[in-house]
Amino acid sequence: ETGVTQSPTHLIKTRGQQVTLRCSSQSGHNTVSWYQQALGQGPQFIFQYYREEENGRGNFPPRFSGLQFPNYSSELNVNALELDDSALYLCASSLKRGSFYGYTFGSGTRLTVV
Amino acid sequence: TQLLEQSPQFLSIQEGENLTVYCNSSSVFSSLQWYRQEPGEGPVLLVTVVTGGEVKKLKRLTFQFGDARKDSSLHITAAQPGDTGLYLCAGGSMTGNQFYFGTGTSLTVIP
Repeated sequence: ETGVTQSPTHLIKTRGQQVTLRCSSQSGHNTVSWYQQALGQGPQFIFQYYREEENGRGNFPPRFSGLQFPNYSSELNVNALELDDSALYLCASSLKRGSFYGYTFGSGTRLTVV
Repeated sequence: TQLLEQSPQFLSIQEGENLTVYCNSSSVFSSLQWYRQEPGEGPVLLVTVVTGGEVKKLKRLTFQFGDARKDSSLHITAAQPGDTGLYLCAGGSMTGNQFYFGTGTSLTVIP
């Protein structure tokens, strides 16, 4: 059984640009969520997708958007990048909606905005 | 804004010592989980607790969920260098569509 894979692992972008991060969920998992983790801090919930629909969102502006595909893989898109968007972006998948089942995390994408 | 506050933020202890990490909130959670994260990796799930007052043991680690489901603790007995890492508590909202991580506790166990 494969785990959660994220791509790319590292990325450098210029302020104002747009970025797309990708995530393949663990086999059999239909729920995907995305998190932003600043250095030395706990992850912050961005949003969650269940069966291709967003069904939960944290305190992030609309320029953070996402998609989930029929195979349950997912993308995180960030428009008009700001310097403060520099962080580790984590994707996690779960067997079912709801936190009872626990989340399997990928290793993340390190985004640097210059 | 993080709903879950962890203490202490940093902890450095000698191998063989015991320690407790606390996770507190004013909110009620449907479940609470503990994760351990190593540098360059994503968090790895250690345990999920669901029922108020629940206690779970995983070898040298003991997890407790508060009676009111607002707080939790992680106790490690006879810490080993392999326990070094960032420990994160995380709670699921009662609506099931939000998930909150704590502020994190960075543990270093010195051989």
